Amino acid sequence: GENVEQHPSTLSVQEGDSAVIKCTYSDSASNYFPWYKQELGKRPQLIIDIRSNVGEKKDQRIAVTLNKTAKHFSLHITETQPEDSAVYFCAAVYGNNRLAFGKGNQVVVIP
Amino acid sequence: NAGVTQTPKFRVLKTGQSMTLLCAQDMNHEYMYWYRQDPGMGLRLIHYSVGEGTTAKGEVPDGYNVSRLKKQNFLLGLESAAPSQTSVYFCASTLSSGGSYEQYFGPGTRLTVT
Repeated sequence: GENVEQHPSTLSVQEGDSAVIKCTYSDSASNYFPWYKQELGKRPQLIIDIRSNVGEKKDQRIAVTLNKTAKHFSLHITETQPEDSAVYFCAAVYGNNRLAFGKGNQVVVIP
Repeated sequence: NAGVTQTPKFRVLKTGQSMTLLCAQDMNHEYMYWYRQDPGMGLRLIHYSVGEGTTAKGEVPDGYNVSRLKKQNFLLGLESAAPSQTSVYFCASTLSSGGSYEQYFGPGTRLTVT
């Protein structure tokens, strides 16, 4: 199966600064990489995703980059705001549309 | 559309009791999944289904059973609950066709086993 690792486990940033979370995956056949945001006590919500035929995707203050050769992908949040504080999970798809999730990153935006 | 719903939202069980968690989706999705979420462990797949009448084991299936008698419903059963099954359980579904991989999550069920 697929193995996804996520670093760092906790990230503290000053409001207005950028945050970057990196994930690595093991299965070179994976072709879809989503990022989910989970606020305390809530369900995970998809915030951005990228497919293997694209190197970068951007949506307002959020971007994801993919390096297939190195098998890693990263989430970039610019101009961070207090509402960006949450746990972020990366994932990679494998057989039968299953997602292998990383263990999550706690992002804390300090006002 | 309600999306993905889960019943109940909270439950406390004693060791050895049984219960069934219900997941329902109204998006006509083919694939459905059950995850458990524990602190620091991310989301781990328990069982999944690729269509009505099918089920398959995920990463952590021991102590759980599932059924998918109707396309819109996916049930997770605990026959004899153990404290190690204290967790938050999430159900998710995805369309599966046309290269659609996005999984939609339910609100979760917080289960405590004493």
